[in-house]
Amino acid sequence: DAGVTQSPTHLIKTRGQHVTLRCSPISGHKSVSWYQQVLGQGPQFIFQYYEKEERGRGNFPDRFSARQFPNYSSELNVNALLLGDSALYLCASTILRANYEQYFGPGTRLTVT
Amino acid sequence: AQTVTQSQPEMSVQEAETVTLSCTYDTSENNYYLFWYKQPPSRQMILVIRQEAYKQQNATENRFSVNFQKAAKSFSLKISDSQLGDTAMYFCAFMTRNNNDMRFGAGTRLTVKP
Repeated sequence: DAGVTQSPTHLIKTRGQHVTLRCSPISGHKSVSWYQQVLGQGPQFIFQYYEKEERGRGNFPDRFSARQFPNYSSELNVNALLLGDSALYLCASTILRANYEQYFGPGTRLTVT
Repeated sequence: AQTVTQSQPEMSVQEAETVTLSCTYDTSENNYYLFWYKQPPSRQMILVIRQEAYKQQNATENRFSVNFQKAAKSFSLKISDSQLGDTAMYFCAFMTRNNNDMRFGAGTRLTVKP
């Protein structure tokens, strides 16, 4: 079975630009969460979506937004990129909203110059 | 606020020996889950072991076991018979029963030496 997939693998953007990251959950999983992992730190929670609705939000500015599609895939959008947005962005999927078994994708490495 | 602390930024162990990674957490919740994740250089976050707070028995998964001390809010990971493939960053994580906001520690970089 395919695991969680994310695209692109790597991305280089310029300050002020916009970026869209994509995630496809494991088949049958209805919940997707997004995390930001800055180099040398643990992941930090950004969003959780379940059944296409936002169910949780971390302490991130409004420049960060996300959505979930009817097939349960998800997009993370970041506007007005800052140098500090450079990080590994991880997507994790679970079967249910309040299910503790989270499966992570390989991540998208975003570099903002 | 729920926080996770890993006090060992780096550790090393000889192949075939045993190593213990430390983790403490802070929460006022009673129902929660604790996890250890492994992140090798490939970046893929892999679940090593999980523990439900309501279970007194320590979780084990092959060479991996935990020492869960609920009163002390301590959750250490023991790796027995260390293998070169165990070299990775190890993250301790915490999540309450009612949401998927998983909190991670800063990680411990483990190096297994031949």
